[in-house]
Amino acid sequence: NAGVTQTPKFQVLKTGQSMTLQCAQDMNHEYMSWYRQDPGMGLRLIHYSVGAGITDQGEVPNGYNVSRSTTEDFPLRLLSAAPSQTSVYFCASSYPPGGKNNEQFFGPGTRLTVL
Amino acid sequence: QQQVKQSPQSLIVQKGGISIINCAYENTAFDYFPWYQQFPGKGPALLIAIRPDVSEKKEGRFTISFNKSAKQFSLHIMDSQPGDSATYFCAAENQAGTALIFGKGTTLSVSS
Repeated sequence: NAGVTQTPKFQVLKTGQSMTLQCAQDMNHEYMSWYRQDPGMGLRLIHYSVGAGITDQGEVPNGYNVSRSTTEDFPLRLLSAAPSQTSVYFCASSYPPGGKNNEQFFGPGTRLTVL
Repeated sequence: QQQVKQSPQSLIVQKGGISIINCAYENTAFDYFPWYQQFPGKGPALLIAIRPDVSEKKEGRFTISFNKSAKQFSLHIMDSQPGDSATYFCAAENQAGTALIFGKGTTLSVSS
């Protein structure tokens, strides 16, 4: 199993450009989510999905768009990049809650710089 | 409004010592409290987790202590090793299981 994979690893954008961060998982997890990590801020939830075709907003959704057409993939779109979106982005996946172990599996991250 | 407060921000411990990181939460609806460990350049990985029906959970050198009435929980790392040097995040999960609310993290350095 590859687990959770993210591409690209690094990206530099200019203000106003758009791009898509890719996330895929091969564990057949229903739940997937996107977090951003900023120094001294911990990880903050951007968007999440509880299954194909179902998405919802997290704590900091503005400027980001998501869709979930398959169980495996959960791309994150930046519509018009801003310097405030400079961050490290992590995708995570997990089984639905209810079991003893609600472990979220994180990808390796995408480091994004917006100039 | 910060729902999970974590302290200290950074911690330096000598090899063989005990590392203690504290967290406090506000929402009594939270019912799953994991700790994640993150090494530089990597994604966070689950270290240990606890539910509010127990007051302590131990896995090897790592122990979570949980105080439901005080809405606090802590991570204890016994016999700390240089390989434990990492950033540690406490978190709380909402009952729907749709979100993890993270603390701001503690950077632990274990000196040899």
